[in-house]
Amino acid sequence: GNSVTQMEGPVTLSEEAFLTINCTYTATGYPSLFWYVQYPGEGLQLLLKATKADDKGSNKGFEATYRKETTSFHLEKGSVQVSDSAVYFCALIGYAGNMLTFGGGTRLMVKP
Amino acid sequence: DSGVTQTPKHLITATGQRVTLRCSPRSGDLSVYWYQQSLDQGLQFLIQYYNGEERAKGNILERFSAQQFPDLHSELNLSSLELGDSALYFCASSVDPLQDTGELFFGEGSRLTVL
Repeated sequence: GNSVTQMEGPVTLSEEAFLTINCTYTATGYPSLFWYVQYPGEGLQLLLKATKADDKGSNKGFEATYRKETTSFHLEKGSVQVSDSAVYFCALIGYAGNMLTFGGGTRLMVKP
Repeated sequence: DSGVTQTPKHLITATGQRVTLRCSPRSGDLSVYWYQQSLDQGLQFLIQYYNGEERAKGNILERFSAQQFPDLHSELNLSSLELGDSALYFCASSVDPLQDTGELFFGEGSRLTVL
C-alpha cells in the first residue's frame, strides 16, 4: 500500500533560518505529491503540489521537488518567519487513486 | 475560510455517551471525508462519502458511524465513548475525482473531550 514518512518534530528554528522537512514515500506507479499546512486552531490547507517526477511545487516561499529516484519530496524554505509556525503534512495520491495518504506531520516552531 | 462548516467546535461529554458531529461541505463538492487527529496518532482517515454513498472506509471503529444526506451535509456519530476518543475530528470536502486537484478543503474541526 501507499505510505508517507516524515521527519519527527518538533523542529525549532530562529527567524530567517533555512528550513528543511524531510518526506519520503512508498507507492506503486507515479503518485502525485502534496504538502499541507495546519496553522494553530485551523484545519489543514494545501500548500503546494507536484504531479510528476522532477516537478517543483512552490508557494509562499516554500518549495519541494518531486524526486522519483529517491522517492522523496522534501519541503524547503530559505528564510522562515514566526508566522510559518505550524504543523506540516506530506501526502500523496496514488496513480489513478482517489485517496490522500498523509504522513504523521511535523511541527515547526519559529522563534523571533 | 475553506467553505467547509463543522459544528460544534467544542464538545465535552462523559464516557459511555453518544455524540453527533455535523459537517456542511463546500458548495458544489460531492465528496466528504472524516478524519481524526489525536496527539499520539496524527491524522487518521475514518471514512469517505460521495453523493450520499459510502466510498471508502479507513480506520473507523465499529462504535462510530457516518452518513451523508441528500443535501450533502454529513454527520459522524460516535457512541459508547471512551477516554481515548478524545481528539479533533475534521471534515473535508473535495471535487471528484480528487486526483484532478489533490486538494481537500478542511473545516476547522470539532474538538471532542471525553471525561
